Amino acid sequence: EVQLVQSGAEVKKPGESLKISCEASGYTFTSHWIGWVRQMPGKGLEWVGIIYPADSDTRYSPSFQGQVTISADKSIGTAYLQWSSLKASDTAMYYCVRLLEQWLVTWGQGTLVTVSS
Amino acid sequence: QSVLTQPPSVSGAPGQRVSISCTGSNSNIGAGYDVHWYQQLPGTAPKLLIYRNNNRPSGVPDRFSGSKSGTSASLAISGLQADDEADYYCQSYDSSLTDYVFGPGTKVTVL
Repeated sequence: EVQLVQSGAEVKKPGESLKISCEASGYTFTSHWIGWVRQMPGKGLEWVGIIYPADSDTRYSPSFQGQVTISADKSIGTAYLQWSSLKASDTAMYYCVRLLEQWLVTWGQGTLVTVSS
Repeated sequence: QSVLTQPPSVSGAPGQRVSISCTGSNSNIGAGYDVHWYQQLPGTAPKLLIYRNNNRPSGVPDRFSGSKSGTSASLAISGLQADDEADYYCQSYDSSLTDYVFGPGTKVTVL
């Protein structure tokens, strides 16, 4: 069974750093793009960016370029989303997703990130 | 502001048919890029409902169907059931933005 299992909820203060993870199983990790989608409280879905784990080719949505870093460790089948300095506006649920061609065929359960002083 | 537009809400009685539109432009749907649909039940992660305009993944009931024409696409739900109450999002690719794009979502309410 294909699964994406994300790390647990985080509560952080503004200015702190954070790295959340997404562990993939049930398929060849290096054969599919994997991405991140943000959902702010009560709002819709937004693309963050995607990475191809085989060669770490990474693409960011313009709104998130320079704000986050996406990475992947193909030796352990895990993708990451990280921030160097969190802001209150980063408070959201973040989903990791597996792409098949251009659609999101598998979703993780979500990681809730809360940034508050 | 999304480049894809959806109605904020639609509603229907149990058993009825409802339709959700997703309107784009010549840089996304009209350029030939496929449209995909996701269902997000309350408090859960979204799930793929329709891919490549009109294809259902295994396990999705045939009450859900998709279509695409010109710069628009539609998701239809027939035989509406109480557990269809959810948010529905369309998604495509935009060549001007060189980015994947989501619609703003439509809340379906079963009366």
